[in-house]
Amino acid sequence: EAGVTQSPTHLIKTRGQQATLRCSPISGHTSVYWYQQALGLGLQFLLWYDEGEERNRGNFPPRFSGRQFPNYSSELNVNALELEDSALYLCASTDSTYEQYFGPGTRLTVT
Amino acid sequence: GQSLEQPSEVTAVEGAIVQINCTYQTSGFYGLSWYQQHDGGAPTFLSYNALDGLEETGRFSSFLSRSDSYGYLLLQELQMKDSASYFCAVRAGGFKTIFGAGTRLFVKA
Repeated sequence: EAGVTQSPTHLIKTRGQQATLRCSPISGHTSVYWYQQALGLGLQFLLWYDEGEERNRGNFPPRFSGRQFPNYSSELNVNALELEDSALYLCASTDSTYEQYFGPGTRLTVT
Repeated sequence: GQSLEQPSEVTAVEGAIVQINCTYQTSGFYGLSWYQQHDGGAPTFLSYNALDGLEETGRFSSFLSRSDSYGYLLLQELQMKDSASYFCAVRAGGFKTIFGAGTRLFVKA
């Protein structure tokens, strides 16, 4: 069974640009969570999608947004990039139980 | 606000037992999870407690006291490969998952 996949692995952008990160959940999982992990720090909850709908979001500005497609894959968009957005962005999928399965992450660097 | 507190760092020797504590303050509570993350890797699920008590999975055990808003992860027979960061996470109201800042475990020979 394939795990959670994320693309790209690395992304380098300049301040003010937009970034799009993608996530494909494990087959059969309908929920996708997005997290931001700054270097050496914990995971900060960004967004939760389930059955195509945004169910909840963390304490992040509106320039962090996303969507979930009919095949349950998901996209995270970050507009007007700032230097402090540089982080590892992790996606996790779940079949609505308590265990989340994480992808390898996208390392976003904003210069 | 919502917060989870866990020690930033713990050091132990191979073969020993180590306990990593987690206290939480959240809006709503469904359960407490523990994840392990090696440097450069993704977090992997270790355990989940929804009810008070101890859950054992091999060398790892996890405990929860809902009345004390407290839990811990117990690692026995420590091995070098257990050196990693360990995160507690609460499944809170609205099914948000709130993670602690992580405890970095160093296992020495």
